[in-house]
Amino acid sequence: DAEITQSPRHKITETGRQVTLACHQTWNHNNMFWYRQDLGHGLRLIHYSYGVQDTNKGEVSDGYSVSRSNTEDLPLTLESAASSQTSVYFCASSTGLAGTDTQYFGPGTRLTVL
Amino acid sequence: KNEVEQSPQNLTAQEGEFITINCSYSVGISALHWLQQHPGGGIVSLFMLSSGKKKHGRLIATINIQEKHSSLHITASHPRDSAVYICAVGVGNQFYFGTGTSLTVIP
Repeated sequence: DAEITQSPRHKITETGRQVTLACHQTWNHNNMFWYRQDLGHGLRLIHYSYGVQDTNKGEVSDGYSVSRSNTEDLPLTLESAASSQTSVYFCASSTGLAGTDTQYFGPGTRLTVL
Repeated sequence: KNEVEQSPQNLTAQEGEFITINCSYSVGISALHWLQQHPGGGIVSLFMLSSGKKKHGRLIATINIQEKHSSLHITASHPRDSAVYICAVGVGNQFYFGTGTSLTVIP
């Protein structure tokens, strides 16, 4: 069965360190998304990609970067982790555009920045 | 200003009760989505709708485009329905999410 996976599921890091969160999907979807989920804010879009070599900034992209070298993977990098980036991160993928198609979510990564 | 507002924020019901969760939005949308998030975090898409009504098992979702309002109904609620229900609207290439309604169904 097709799926979308994230790793690690839990990560503790220190302020200033570079962190990369992995997202891998076997749906063969062109479109992939990274969200963060914080109490009181709901899910917020960090970055998204509509295909290989395509990346776009979302609502809360400062301090994050992504790269898309193949269809299956969209890693999220925190260049210099900050305590404000402590959150739960979700990756998602879809066939269509963000608002017009069902999105399939990964299980999430809980990141703590000390 | 949040483009998507949900009510109530928290809801406790007895098993068997009929449940309604409301979602209002302030922007023109491509589609509205209802998502379910169980304790432990996994998020699952329940419905995507742009008009009318959809039904899946005990779940019913309706949308009124003119009033910019949607409702999610659960009939004959069960403890396994306990989860956070999230409303999201698609606007162009963007998704805007509500903060969710936490539902607890007591046996």
